[in-house]
Amino acid sequence: AQSVTQPDIHITVSEGASLELRCNYSYGATPYLFWYVQSPGQGLQLLLKYFSGDTLVQGIKGFEAEFKRSQSSFNLRKPSVHWSDAAEYFCAVITYSGYALNFGKGTSLLVTP
Amino acid sequence: SQTIHQWPATLVQPVGSPLSLECTVEGTSNPNLYWYRQAAGRGLQLLFYSVGIGQISSEVPQNLSASRPQDRQFILSSKKLLLSDSGFYLCAWSPTGGGQPQHFGDGTRLSIL
Repeated sequence: AQSVTQPDIHITVSEGASLELRCNYSYGATPYLFWYVQSPGQGLQLLLKYFSGDTLVQGIKGFEAEFKRSQSSFNLRKPSVHWSDAAEYFCAVITYSGYALNFGKGTSLLVTP
Repeated sequence: SQTIHQWPATLVQPVGSPLSLECTVEGTSNPNLYWYRQAAGRGLQLLFYSVGIGQISSEVPQNLSASRPQDRQFILSSKKLLLSDSGFYLCAWSPTGGGQPQHFGDGTRLSIL
């Protein structure tokens, strides 16, 4: 069955520290991959997307993600976290012809001073 | 640029009352439109999507229905709300075709009393 797994429910990092949020997927073929961020009580904002090509993709707000086909992973990274990055982060996948985004359960990021 | 509007932002309704949530998109034509529900502490569940006027696909059986009376308008309805309908409802749009990134509205917080 197709699935998206975000192994970490909560992550706490200090402001200025680096961040990596994990995402693994299980699909028959390589899907298209996305990361979204959601602030409390708000909608989801698209951070970045991977369709094909360069496996390291740059997004907004200083985020990047690396697609690793051999590990079926699409981990999100940021070199230096700011307090404003505290939010819920969702990994999502879709097949090339599909309409339904399949979301992971999300990782809640807490940033400490 | 494209924008998505969703209203109301919050809604408190008694059990058994009707529901109508509206979503409109500006700056694009023939978008795909989506309704998601996000329960507390859980990921996002796709409820309905539409690839054109009058075309509605339902992802899960439930007490809700959707309609698309105009190209850029998507409505989520219920004739009689249940307690289990409480949640955060998100509308989204994507460009025409499959495998596209989706862009979300700010959501409606629905509480059923």
